[in-house]
Amino acid sequence: QQQVKQSPQSLIVQKGGISIINCAYENTAFDYFPWYQQFPGKGPALLIAIRPDVSEKKEGRFTISFNKSAKQFSLHIMDSQPGDSATYFCAARNGSSNTGKLIFGQGTTLQVKP
Amino acid sequence: ETGVTQSPTHLIKTRGQQVTLRCSSQSGHNTVSWYQQALGQGPQFIFQYYREEENGRGNFPPRFSGLQFPNYSSELNVNALELDDSALYLCATATRETQYFGPGTRLLVL
Repeated sequence: QQQVKQSPQSLIVQKGGISIINCAYENTAFDYFPWYQQFPGKGPALLIAIRPDVSEKKEGRFTISFNKSAKQFSLHIMDSQPGDSATYFCAARNGSSNTGKLIFGQGTTLQVKP
Repeated sequence: ETGVTQSPTHLIKTRGQQVTLRCSSQSGHNTVSWYQQALGQGPQFIFQYYREEENGRGNFPPRFSGLQFPNYSSELNVNALELDDSALYLCATATRETQYFGPGTRLLVL
C-alpha cells in the first residue's frame, strides 16, 4: 500500500527523442507526486510535481501525465538531450500523514545517446 | 542549488562504531528530514524533525537517532554500525509541499 512502483529500470534514448518513465501506486491517500532527477554523486533535485486534481503539468521539456483512476503517473522528457542522462525517481506523499515524508520509486537510469 | 549542505561528504567506519552526520540549510525551513539511499535504490525516509522535535519516523531501528538545533541545523547519529548501513545519507529541508535535498554523505561501513 505504501509502495510506488517505477518502470523501466533503465532506458536508452537517442538525442531528440522522447523519454517516458512510468510509476504506479496503490494508496489513494497519496496527494502529491514529485519527480526528482539525480546525477552521480549528487542529491536528488526536484524536477516537476503534480497534484491528483490535475491530469497534466508541463514545465519546459518535462511533462507529468496523471491518471487518477488507474493510479498511474508518468514523466515525459521531450527532445531528450545528453545532459538529461541521470537517474529519475518518482515519489508520492501521503496526505494523511503529519510529515512531508516521500515514498520513492526504485529509480530509472536514463542514458541519452548523442 | 537547494542551499542544503551536508558534512562530511564521505566517511569510512568499521562495524560497531558510531557516526554523526551533519546538515545545515540556508532556507530557514523549520523542518528537516533524513533519508537513506542504498546503492541503486530510491531514498528511504528515516525520520523528520520539526522545531527540534521528532515528528515522524520510518522503518529504522532506534540506533538511528537525530537532533535538530534552534538554527534548524540537524544531526543524524547511527550507533553500532552494521555493514548494511553503507549508503548515501540525504538531508532535506521540507516545506508542506516537498523536500529539497542536500548532496548527501556517503558512508561506507567495513
